[in-house]
Amino acid sequence: KNQVEQSPQSLIILEGKNCTLQCNYTVSPFSNLRWYKQDTGRGPVSLTIMTFSENTKSNGRYTATLDADTKQSSLHITASQLSDSASYICVVSALRSNYQLIWGAGTKLIIKP
Amino acid sequence: DVKVTQSSRYLVKRTGEKVFLECVQDMDHENMFWYRQDPGLGLRLIYFSYDVKMKEKGDIPEGYSVSREKKERFSLILESASTNQTSMYLCASRPGTGIDTQYFGPGTRLTVL
Repeated sequence: KNQVEQSPQSLIILEGKNCTLQCNYTVSPFSNLRWYKQDTGRGPVSLTIMTFSENTKSNGRYTATLDADTKQSSLHITASQLSDSASYICVVSALRSNYQLIWGAGTKLIIKP
Repeated sequence: DVKVTQSSRYLVKRTGEKVFLECVQDMDHENMFWYRQDPGLGLRLIYFSYDVKMKEKGDIPEGYSVSREKKERFSLILESASTNQTSMYLCASRPGTGIDTQYFGPGTRLTVL
């Protein structure tokens, strides 16, 4: 069964600190993996998309990594800011399934001043 | 900038009522999607549409129907609302096939009493 699991469920860190969020998936055959940021009361917004051949992709202070062999991805946030407080969702797409994505439950990140 | 708008941010309805949720996108996107989001779960696809008047069932279509009479507008219909349909409903659009990003609306929080 295609699944995406994220850890931790929630995380609290101090402003200015770094953190890493994890995503494990069992989707096969793999097409691509995306990270979304969802602010409270808002729709998700795309941060990065990675295909099978990409190991790392950055978007400002956000860096996503992908290990297709172990089926793991991580999202690293550097020098966190209060505005980083949000849910971060990992989404995986299978080949030949352009319309349907497998969504993780998300990690709720809280940045404290 | 892509803009996806949803007709209501908050909606309260009674059991048995017919409910219409409207979604409009302004970027001439081919594909449109309706999801529901519940605490502790990933987004679940209800229906999607890849063209005007075309629709496909997602993972949880029971109790819902959709309408796409114009390219920019995708409506979700709850024929007879039930309390287990209390949820956050998210609409998204995407340019075409492949690994294009989905763009989300702000969501409608529906409460069925």
